Amino acid sequence: AQSVTQLGSHVSVSEGALVLLRCNYSSSVPPYLFWYVQYPNQGLQLLLKYTTGATLVKGINGFEAEFKKSETSFHLTKPSAHMSDAAEYFCAVSDHGGGADGLTFGKGTHLIIQP
Amino acid sequence: DARVTQTPRHKVTEMGQEVTMRCQPILGHNTVFWYRQTMMQGLELLAYFRNRAPLDDSGMPKDRFSAEMPDATLATLKIQPSEPRDSAVYFCASGSGQGGNQPQHFGDGTRLSIL
Repeated sequence: AQSVTQLGSHVSVSEGALVLLRCNYSSSVPPYLFWYVQYPNQGLQLLLKYTTGATLVKGINGFEAEFKKSETSFHLTKPSAHMSDAAEYFCAVSDHGGGADGLTFGKGTHLIIQP
Repeated sequence: DARVTQTPRHKVTEMGQEVTMRCQPILGHNTVFWYRQTMMQGLELLAYFRNRAPLDDSGMPKDRFSAEMPDATLATLKIQPSEPRDSAVYFCASGSGQGGNQPQHFGDGTRLSIL
């Protein structure tokens, strides 16, 4: 069975500082990995995805994530936080790719940006 | 941009009433997913369909929940009778049914409150 662990339900950083949101997964097959962002009262928006190939994945809004198979991790980073980055972030895994089967989500990390 | 449309956005009703939530997937997407989001459990997959046929509904309480796709442009999730523990945000997502690079796209959700 798949599972996703996001370390830290809340992360607070200063505006302009590095953002690091941690995600570890377990999967019995090579995983497809995703990061989604949720703003208040909205649905989930895809930030980036890892399928195959390059392990460093770039997404929207300056975010990127690196797939590390040996560490079963897929941490999300952004070099410089902006106030508009304040939101809930979810890491997710699937066996066959996001359009084909259901996603297993982590519990989410609430990102707080301090002015 | 193509979007997944969910109605209603908000629903407040009394315990025991029937609740119907609707979802219009993105045109051309043949896979529809239903998720539930609560503070305690996070995001959980309830069920999903491909080409209008249910593929997996193992996450859905069978005694009171039912999901259908009357046609390719409409998916419904019904709860009868509703209970206070059903209060949650219910998300619909759609995908192309293909693995790999194709992600799921989420609607804005139906926020359900059962009194």
